[in-house]
Amino acid sequence: NAGVMQNPRHLVRRRGQEARLRCSPMKGHSHVYWYRQLPEEGLKFMVYLQKENIIDESGMPKERFSAEFPKEGPSILRIQQVVRGDSAAYFCASSPGARGTEAFFGQGTRLTVV
Amino acid sequence: GQQVMQIPQYQHVQEGEDFTTYCNSSTTLSNIQWYKQRPGGHPVFLIQLVKSGEVKKQKRLTFQFGEAKKNSSLHITATQTTDVGTYFCAGASGAGSYQLTFGKGTKLSVIP
Repeated sequence: NAGVMQNPRHLVRRRGQEARLRCSPMKGHSHVYWYRQLPEEGLKFMVYLQKENIIDESGMPKERFSAEFPKEGPSILRIQQVVRGDSAAYFCASSPGARGTEAFFGQGTRLTVV
Repeated sequence: GQQVMQIPQYQHVQEGEDFTTYCNSSTTLSNIQWYKQRPGGHPVFLIQLVKSGEVKKQKRLTFQFGEAKKNSSLHITATQTTDVGTYFCAGASGAGSYQLTFGKGTKLSVIP
């Protein structure tokens, strides 16, 4: 049973480009969470999704950021027109159920905006 | 919104010494979870506490959940170099809660 798979592991983008981060949850998990982590900081919640539905996006910036979890395929976190401040590690986690159950994290995508 | 504070931010200990990190929530929690993140790695789940006053042990690690379900602690006895990393607490609150609010973590360094 493979763990949570995130790709790419490292992503470099120039300012103004788009970044697409992918996350395949663990088999049997239908709940996906995205977190952002700045250096020396904790994990900041961005969005919680179930298949085809955004349940809570209260942590997502209002502009340029979007997330989806289609019926087929991985969850995608999309950042349009990236800026230097978007540089961070983005972690995806999945769980089998909601209500604060244990989350299994992927290895993260480290985004660098140059 | 809910806030989770964690102290200390950094802790340097000599190998063999004990270590404790504390977590405080601004709101009552339904449960609290602890994660460990090694340098350059990803958070790995350690444990979940649900009941008021609950204490759980994993070898040299002892986890406590306060009576009011607003604070928690992680204590490591006789630290080893393998304990190095950042320890995060994460709280979930509310009957329908699904969002984990993470503390900023305590970064543990162990001097051999």
